[in-house]
Amino acid sequence: ETGVTQTPRHLVMGMTNKKSLKCEQHLGHNAMYWYKQSAKKPLELMFVYSLEERVENNSVPSRFSPECPNSSHLFLHLHTLQPEDSALYLCASSQAGTYNEQFFGPGTRLTVL
Amino acid sequence: QKEVEQNSGPLSVPEGAIASLNCTYSDRGSQSFFWYRQYSGKSPELIMSIYSNGDKEDGRFTAQLNKASQYVSLLIRDSQPSDSATYLCAVMAFSGGYNKLIFGAGTRLAVHP
Repeated sequence: ETGVTQTPRHLVMGMTNKKSLKCEQHLGHNAMYWYKQSAKKPLELMFVYSLEERVENNSVPSRFSPECPNSSHLFLHLHTLQPEDSALYLCASSQAGTYNEQFFGPGTRLTVL
Repeated sequence: QKEVEQNSGPLSVPEGAIASLNCTYSDRGSQSFFWYRQYSGKSPELIMSIYSNGDKEDGRFTAQLNKASQYVSLLIRDSQPSDSATYLCAVMAFSGGYNKLIFGAGTRLAVHP
């Protein structure tokens, strides 16, 4: 595997389900990010982990819960989501610092019924 | 509120022409600037980064930065139909004690044969 991988690529869930999104980076980076991309809206930063410590929780509802067990893996745990949470969820990684270039995974297309 | 502004387009250019994409940003302290390309249904792909005033060329792509005017642009020479995509401008901002990328909403480019 190379770059940033995400699983699953597509997910359909009901409002009462619990699911998790997984991200893995193979670039030797030390910072990882979750973004949400909804139709016709800019990328929204949700969470940032730098050196495995969460440094940003961008007013995200508690029904989204991130987990970063090590610098290569990032999870987003989902529970009791709403239909408006349907979006493309993107993971990215970088080296922490001023000039960090962020590289994105392919994303998970989430549909909440 | 740190902002990044782009014209949403679509910008329509004929094959072989130069496509010019523009972006302005509000944070005068920003030091790092990036262009991402995003095909429909796919994740953003980093195509250029620029840190100093002036031009930076990579193949058919040239990024231009003017920090005094808070303006960054991307020129695509000899445009091809395969360049048709949404181009996202991203600016590194220092906020909340760490650096994070602020994305524009993107400019949709259509290259017609």
